[in-house]
Formats: sequence, structure tokens, C-alpha cells
Amino acid sequence: DGGITQSPKYLFRKEGQNVTLSCEQNLNHDAMYWYRQDPGQGLRLIYYSQIVNDFQKGDIAEGYSVSREKKESFPLTVTSAQKNPTAFYLCASTKGASGTTGELFFGEGSRLTVL
Amino acid sequence: DAKTTQPPSMDCAEGRAANLPCNHSTISGNEYVYWYRQIHSQGPQYIIHGLKNNETNEMASLIITEDRKSSTLILPHATLRDTAVYYCIVRVLNNAGNNRKLIWGLGTSLAVNP
Repeated sequence: DGGITQSPKYLFRKEGQNVTLSCEQNLNHDAMYWYRQDPGQGLRLIYYSQIVNDFQKGDIAEGYSVSREKKESFPLTVTSAQKNPTAFYLCASTKGASGTTGELFFGEGSRLTVL
Repeated sequence: DAKTTQPPSMDCAEGRAANLPCNHSTISGNEYVYWYRQIHSQGPQYIIHGLKNNETNEMASLIITEDRKSSTLILPHATLRDTAVYYCIVRVLNNAGNNRKLIWGLGTSLAVNP
């Protein structure tokens, strides 16, 4: 079945370590997104990519990096520069490259805990 | 900041209609209203969206007031599996004006009770 796969589902890391969260989709969607969700706050956009080899900063990009070498894959690296990395991370995709559609398809999320 | 206001929580009896309100008094003429839901510790799921007219699909109905300042999501026959956080979202232009993005609020936590 088509969908978005995020891994790992749970991740524990020591402070100061970089971590990479995987996001793969087989929906043939053009645009992909990374969101962060914290208790008591709405989803916040970290980065998005509308086409391969191109990506844009969202509202809270500091301390994060991404790549889009393949249409199917959009990994997120949480660097040691991110001050408060413990959060629930959600990857999403949409069919159109223009980003005009709001019908996002989400993965199941990755919960990162920094000790 | 979110452009929508929703009650933090609601209850509904199983089998009855669940009516979830949303205020978006500052919405602009070309901004759509979207509804998503999120079951605990899962990714959000798209439900429905609309601009001016009422919309219906297999999951729900969306009623938008004529002045577009508020809307109501209706789940006609709520089941226990409909227990989730429901987000009412306005899709806006990004700061650069060349793309659109969803502004997420805190949503309404709906509890469907047996």
C-alpha cells in the first residue's frame, strides 16, 4: 500500500549528538514536509521541499538540516545546534509541487528524546 | 499565530452526531478552511476542506457560515474510533507570497463515549 514511512518511531540520544530521522514515501508525491509537535503547541513547519534537490526553510529551521536527493526521500537531521530537540517529528507529503494543496499525507511520526 | 479558535475539549455519545465548532473571524476571501484529526501519537489525517460552500465526503460534513467567520465539522454518527484531536486550520500565503501553508492551532480533543 502507498504511504509515508518514518523511522525510527522512537529515538533516544545524548545531548550534543546529531540524529537523522528518515522519511520515505511511495505515493509519487512531489512535495514533502517536516513538522515538529510539542505539547501545548500546534504543528510547526521546519523545512519543506517541492522538488528534488530543492528545499525551503519553514518557521523553525534553526538547528535542523534536510536533503532531497530523491523524490521518495526527505531525511531530517537534528543537529547539536538545536536547543530543545526533544519533540514529536512528523513528515508529510502532498501531490502537487506548487504547494497549493493543503491535503497533507502524514507519516506515523518519530519521537525523539534527548537525554 | 493560529487564525482559528476551537474549544479545547468536547464529549459526544457514540452513535450521535458530533458538531465541532471553529471560529476564524480574520479569514481572508481566498483562504481555505481545512480540518484534520490526530489520534493519539499518530500522524494527523486529512478530513475535509472548503472555501465558501458546504462540503461533504465519506468522513464528515463541513458547514461554513455565509460570512465565513466560522465553520462546523459534523461527524454524523460518531464511533469510539472517532476519539481524537480535531484541528481546524486556515491555509494562508507564506511570508514570501509564493506558497501556501497551514497554520495549526491546538485543536479540540473529542471524546466519544459508549
